[in-house]
Amino acid sequence: SAVISQKPSRDICQRGTSLTIQCQVDSQVTMMFWYRQQPGQSLTLIATANQGSEATYESGFVIDKFPISRPNLTFSTLTVSNMSPEDSSIYLCSAETGWNTIYFGEGSWLTVV
Amino acid sequence: AQTVTQSQPEMSVQEAETVTLSCTYDTSESDYYLFWYKQPPSRQMILVIRQEAYKQQNATENRFSVNFQKAAKSFSLKISDSQLGDAAMYFCAYRINQAGTALIFGKGTTLSVSS
Repeated sequence: SAVISQKPSRDICQRGTSLTIQCQVDSQVTMMFWYRQQPGQSLTLIATANQGSEATYESGFVIDKFPISRPNLTFSTLTVSNMSPEDSSIYLCSAETGWNTIYFGEGSWLTVV
Repeated sequence: AQTVTQSQPEMSVQEAETVTLSCTYDTSESDYYLFWYKQPPSRQMILVIRQEAYKQQNATENRFSVNFQKAAKSFSLKISDSQLGDAAMYFCAYRINQAGTALIFGKGTTLSVSS
């Protein structure tokens, strides 16, 4: 199975600031996905990131608020910009490492105060 | 649009017993995959089992098995010989069989296991 590492694991952030979450995969992957999981809720897709092109965002998520970079086939970042308490969530990255084999990182638990 | 429904917010089971978690989905596609993921308190999403829609045989992975009823659009997870370590949130997920598409998740079922 693939190893997907996320940093930071957990952070407490001040309102109005921005935080960048890093996601590193131990193998080359075409697509990476970013999800948000609000407390006690299911996972909601934020965007899909393909290397070499702009990320595709789901309804309700915009690039200005959640800019994503995908500089190579093993790495991606998600920035949560101008944070408010409503952004307090777990953010998870995932990658398709094989045919219909999708693994997740450990998640980044952000609390905005 | 595809949807995934888990109608049991919480379930409980005793150690060594068997429990079944329910999942239904809605899709007009014929070629897709279904998944069960486990999320323990550590938050790590762990792939438990996967089923291809075109395969009639139900998938099994050790103590975990599924009952896949394609016509009924039902995909339940059976956990046999439950262990304390099975306590977690379980998510049912759907994905069109097409590279680059994301998973669609149900709301999850919290499973507690008592000794």
